[in-house]
Amino acid sequence: AQKITQTQPGMFVQEKEAVTLDCTYDTSDQSYGLFWYKQPSSGEMIFLIYQGSYDEQNATEGRYSLNFQKARKSANLVISASQLGDSAMYFCAMRAIVNAGGTSYGKLTFGQGTILTVHP
Amino acid sequence: DTGVSQDPRHKITKRGQNVTFRCDPISEHNRLYWYRQTLGQGPEFLTYFQNEAQLEKSRLLSDRFSAERPKGSFSTLEIQRTEQGDSAMYLCASSLGHGFSESGNTIYFGEGSWLTVV
Repeated sequence: AQKITQTQPGMFVQEKEAVTLDCTYDTSDQSYGLFWYKQPSSGEMIFLIYQGSYDEQNATEGRYSLNFQKARKSANLVISASQLGDSAMYFCAMRAIVNAGGTSYGKLTFGQGTILTVHP
Repeated sequence: DTGVSQDPRHKITKRGQNVTFRCDPISEHNRLYWYRQTLGQGPEFLTYFQNEAQLEKSRLLSDRFSAERPKGSFSTLEIQRTEQGDSAMYLCASSLGHGFSESGNTIYFGEGSWLTVV
């Protein structure tokens, strides 16, 4: 079974500073994918960044980067130059292979989330 | 707007009533998922459709829950005889996928449908 752990219920950061949100995972699969989503108070889950288990380089998307340490099974999200609009809930999720109906697909398992508050 | 859309966004219902949520995925996406999210928790998987076929259902999906995707496009999630424990946000997601992977490695979520059972 897959498990995602986010140990920081809440994080605070000053505007324009960088912040790291922690995520560790547990899986016996060799091939998997790691996602980070942002969920503002409106409820929508906004895709931020993806890292494949075989990707050798850390993923980056604008101000977001994923610090992937495979041996430690961690996939921390780094947000550089925080903005007030970054205040939201952030979820780490892992996609694992599931066999169903004669085919396979990737099912997401989410962590508990971290509430990020950016102070002016 | 070409994203995943869900309707209604909010629903308040009395215990014992039936409710139905609709999800319109991104056009051409063959994969559609329903998740449930309670306050303070991450989303939990409910069910998966590949085109019109419902290929997996979570044990969270009791027999009061039924989901359909009749033409492989939009999907509905119906909850019969609602209970207070059904109060949650129901999230729909879609992707274009083949085998294990999604195109662009992206799974898109809608804004969710909030259900409150009183």
